[in-house]
Amino acid sequence: GENVEQHPSTLSVQEGDSAVIKCTYSDSASNYFPWYKQELGKGPQLIIDIRSNVGEKKDQRIAVTLNKTAKHFSLHITETQPEDSAVYFCAASKKGTGFQKLVFGTGTRLLVSP
Amino acid sequence: NAGVMQNPRHLVRRRGQEARLRCSPMKGHSHVYWYRQLPEEGLKFMVYLQKENIIDESGMPKERFSAEFPKEGPSILRIQQVVRGDSAAYFCASSPDTTRQGGNTIYFGEGSWLTVV
Repeated sequence: GENVEQHPSTLSVQEGDSAVIKCTYSDSASNYFPWYKQELGKGPQLIIDIRSNVGEKKDQRIAVTLNKTAKHFSLHITETQPEDSAVYFCAASKKGTGFQKLVFGTGTRLLVSP
Repeated sequence: NAGVMQNPRHLVRRRGQEARLRCSPMKGHSHVYWYRQLPEEGLKFMVYLQKENIIDESGMPKERFSAEFPKEGPSILRIQQVVRGDSAAYFCASSPDTTRQGGNTIYFGEGSWLTVV
């Protein structure tokens, strides 16, 4: 089955710096890669996603890149702000017969210091 | 447009009791998923349901755990004879019909935190 690895486990940056979180996946059939932000005591919130027919997607300060050949994808956050502090999870899934089972990475705790 | 609604948000049970967690998917969503998150860990898939059908329960423990999504009403995750190791956050998620555009997008609820004492 699919296995998703995520690095780093913790990331500390100064406000205004960029943050990059990387994930690798094992199943070449995976074709959907969402990123979730989870704040303490809350549920995961979808922040951006990318499908395998696209190499890059951007939404304001957040961007995701996908390298299908190398089977890795990354989250880039520019001009970080203290409110970006949270745990970020990458995930992968493949669209089969209507079944979308997300396999999550182990999470990255991002701390943005003012 | 309400999101995925879960209740209770927090639940405390003594060992041996039953826990029932409820989930109402987003309006228009016909697919429901349950995930479990142990402290300081990522989310692990448990079960995927459509109305009145369990599609995949490969992540569900073989004993004590069951899930349903009846024709009317919320999805229920039921844990019988709870043990301390069941203490975790249980997240429900939903998605629209996967044959339509955006079918992959899965939205999570705020979770139900189960504590077994």
